[in-house]
Amino acid sequence: KNEVEQSPQNLTAQEGEFITINCSYSVGISALHWLQQHPGGGIVSLFMLSSGKKKHGRLIATINIQEKHSSLHITASHPRDSAVYICAVSSNTGNQFYFGTGTSLTVIP
Amino acid sequence: NAGVTQTPKFRVLKTGQSMTLLCAQDMNHEYMYWYRQDPGMGLRLIHYSVGEGTTAKGEVPDGYNVSRLKKQNFLLGLESAAPSQTSVYFCASSWTDYYEQYFGPGTRLTVT
Repeated sequence: KNEVEQSPQNLTAQEGEFITINCSYSVGISALHWLQQHPGGGIVSLFMLSSGKKKHGRLIATINIQEKHSSLHITASHPRDSAVYICAVSSNTGNQFYFGTGTSLTVIP
Repeated sequence: NAGVTQTPKFRVLKTGQSMTLLCAQDMNHEYMYWYRQDPGMGLRLIHYSVGEGTTAKGEVPDGYNVSRLKKQNFLLGLESAAPSQTSVYFCASSWTDYYEQYFGPGTRLTVT
């Protein structure tokens, strides 16, 4: 049973395209996190959100608590955006974390 | 300000050997975590700590032990390594369980 499901698993886009990655979860949460893992393996946190929408540069994250769904959007994609994007949730029952398996994004020049 | 560091970066063990992975953070975070990452699977929580002197089991704790004697350090031990423990191990820290987590660079462990 996967508490966090992401789609698509793999995504190839042309430079400049608008990209959407989806995340659905089945547990009650206190927060949802979007992480980025580069080919070198390092993981960085992009967003943490519990409601609404956040924007950072060309990245936008939204969450719909009622539908248990979040999306990560990348506008004007660039080859440097190529990475694995991971959705994760902090359970509201405390100290439980669930991670999606990631979406591998490749942006072609 | 180094953030979260992990040592070693790579290690090869023979079945039955033991080793300790060290995680250190300089952000005064209360919470620290150890994860493993395997191909085709998401990050899985091994153990975590909510403060100095405390530890708790995560999703996949079997075969691992941890200690948090100092707030800035979180150690992960393998007493008798098995090939199934071949993985990439990540340490992370955060202020609380619902705040942003800061990850270390990872340790690639191979058990032969």
